[in-house]
Amino acid sequence: SSELTQDPTVSVALGQTVTITCQGDSLRTYYAGWFQQKPGQAPVLVVYNNNKRPSGIPDRFSGSYSGNTASLTITGTQAEDEADYYCNSRDSSGHHVVFGGGTKLAV
Amino acid sequence: QEQLQQWGTGLLRPSETLSLTCAVYDGSFSGYYWTWIRQPPGKGLEWIGEINYRGDNQFAGTKYRPSLLSRVTMAADTSKNQFSLSLTSVTAADTAVYYCARGVGYSSGWGNYYYYLDVWGKGTTVIVSS
Repeated sequence: SSELTQDPTVSVALGQTVTITCQGDSLRTYYAGWFQQKPGQAPVLVVYNNNKRPSGIPDRFSGSYSGNTASLTITGTQAEDEADYYCNSRDSSGHHVVFGGGTKLAV
Repeated sequence: QEQLQQWGTGLLRPSETLSLTCAVYDGSFSGYYWTWIRQPPGKGLEWIGEINYRGDNQFAGTKYRPSLLSRVTMAADTSKNQFSLSLTSVTAADTAVYYCARGVGYSSGWGNYYYYLDVWGKGTTVIVSS
């Protein structure tokens, strides 16, 4: 399969924990990256290699895996976390790159 | 910290050719998947393709989005640390913000693979209109 599936919208109360999921067959082989995108800005990598964070990304962002599903968890969600979140990986063949449809997080 | 700076024509008429260039600053060109991604207005991210250079700076191939295969070409000039995108016969459906990005991919050693896009350009808005 070449698709990654995300829920279109997710809501969370300020200070609470939220999990955004990404489902796809290729995730059994390829780890996903997670991106945050705010309006008018380029995407920013927030989690990669299952549960690593680039320098400068707060430790409230974490990642996990189960079977064909990757998850991005934000613990203690802040107002500035309101954004679109995308997962991305390679497809099952490894020849192409796929993105999830994106999840709009409302805080 | 590696940076990507991109530029190109922002307004095109239908049937013209889109040309964008992305320069890599303060980092190595070899060993990465140099990637183009676009985002139509109000929509999600769409992978266009990648050009790959091995760790020894040898060209290792290109991969393109199947639906764009007949119209897209990517190339690189390693002497300038630049890579480019060409998309022919554009239509209004090609209107989007185009991003260049650096892709990292390698085996975990346990049968899985890591892949992520860690550095992005700021994006170039391309509008196709008659």
